[in-house]
Amino acid sequence: GGIITQTPKFLIGQEGQKLTLKCQQNFNHDTMYWYRQDSGKGLRLIYYSITENDLQKGDLSEGYDASREKKSSFSLTVTSAQKNEMAVFLCASSIASGRSNERLFFGHGTKLSVL
Amino acid sequence: GDSVTQTEGQVTVSESKSLIINCTYSATSIAYPNLFWYVRYPGEGLQLLLKVITAGQKGSSRGFEATYNKETTSFHLQKASVQESDSAVYYCALVSSGSWQLIFGSGTQLTVMP
Repeated sequence: GGIITQTPKFLIGQEGQKLTLKCQQNFNHDTMYWYRQDSGKGLRLIYYSITENDLQKGDLSEGYDASREKKSSFSLTVTSAQKNEMAVFLCASSIASGRSNERLFFGHGTKLSVL
Repeated sequence: GDSVTQTEGQVTVSESKSLIINCTYSATSIAYPNLFWYVRYPGEGLQLLLKVITAGQKGSSRGFEATYNKETTSFHLQKASVQESDSAVYYCALVSSGSWQLIFGSGTQLTVMP
C-alpha cells in the first residue's frame, strides 16, 4: 500500500504572511488534489493536478497558488494569510482523472491557524 | 450548482442499535451522479467507505449499506447494529459532471456509546 504525507501537521502564521503546505504520495498516482475544510463544512476543492507540471483551479482557488514539479509531490501556497483564519487543508491523490468513480486517497491534513 | 446535504452534524447511538445517517443531493449538471460515503476514523485520514454509480443500486462495506434513490435524491447510510469502533466522521459526496470534482457534504460525527 501507499501513503500520503502532509507537512507540517500544524502551521501557525501571521496575517499577510505567505505560507506553504507540502504533500508527498508514493502511490505513483497521476492526479493530486488540495481541499480545504472549515469547521462544520464540507471539503472544498482548491487546486488539482492531473500530471506533473499541470495545474487546474477548483472552486476555492483565489488566494492560493499551487505547484506540481514532480509526480509525487504537490505543494500549496497561501499567498496572504487572513487574520483569525482557521482551517484544515487536505491533500489527496487518485490513479487518474476523468473517471467519475475514481477513489481518492487522503493525507491526515495540515491544520492552519493565523494569528 | 451541485450540492450534498447532511442534516445531522452529530449522531449518538448505543452499541448494537441501528443507525441511519441522512444524505440528500442536488445534481443540476447531471441526472445521475456517482455517489460516495467517505469516513474518517480518529487519528486516520479520510478514506472511501462505499460508492454506488448506478441509480437504484445498493453499496455495502463493513456492515454499512447505502441505496441510491433517484426518486428522493437520497443516499442514506445505514447499519443494523453499530459497534464502538464505528465512531467516526462520515461524509456523503457526489461527483459533479463536467469538472468531475467530488462535492462533499458537511459531515456527520457518529459517536457509539458502549
